[in-house]
Amino acid sequence: DAEITQSPRHKITETGRQVTLACHQTWNHNNMFWYRQDLGHGLRLIHYSYGVQDTNKGEVSDGYSVSRSNTEDLPLTLESAASSQTSVYFCASSSTLAGGGGELFFGEGSRLTVL
Amino acid sequence: SQKIEQNSEALNIQEGKTATLTCNYTNYSPAYLQWYRQDPGRGPVFLLLIRENEKEKRKERLKVTFDTTLKQSLFHITASQPADSATYLCALHTGGFKTIFGAGTRLFVKA
Repeated sequence: DAEITQSPRHKITETGRQVTLACHQTWNHNNMFWYRQDLGHGLRLIHYSYGVQDTNKGEVSDGYSVSRSNTEDLPLTLESAASSQTSVYFCASSSTLAGGGGELFFGEGSRLTVL
Repeated sequence: SQKIEQNSEALNIQEGKTATLTCNYTNYSPAYLQWYRQDPGRGPVFLLLIRENEKEKRKERLKVTFDTTLKQSLFHITASQPADSATYLCALHTGGFKTIFGAGTRLFVKA
């Protein structure tokens, strides 16, 4: 069965370290997204990609970067981790449907703690 | 700015009753609206999609309405069960293939 997997599921790091969260999907979806989820804020869009070599900033992109070298993977990098980036991170993908409306398929999340 | 509001207070209902959750939005004209379910420690799971030209959509015990004049969607679970206890997220398509989410409403169904 197709799926979307995130790793690591849990990570503790120190302020200033570079951290990369992996996301791999086998749906063959063109669209991939990274969200962060914090209490009271819901899911907020960090970066998204509509295909290979395409990346776009979301509403909370400062301090994060992504790259899309193939269809399956969209790694999220925190260049210099800050305590404000302690959160649960979700990767999602969707297909390119005519007329839009593609449902999002989510991974199980990566819980990141920055000390 | 664009905003999605869901009732932040948890909804507690008795098993067998109908649960109704509300999603209001401002400064949007979404082509469609989605509802997701999220269990603790898990990623959201898609439930239903309703388009702007649809007033109502049903799937088994779930019903969604979409009023583009009021800028509101209602999500109903009929004959609710304890297994329906979860957080329910409202989501709007904002152009391209971007989807933005409300903060969710926690539902507790008591046996």
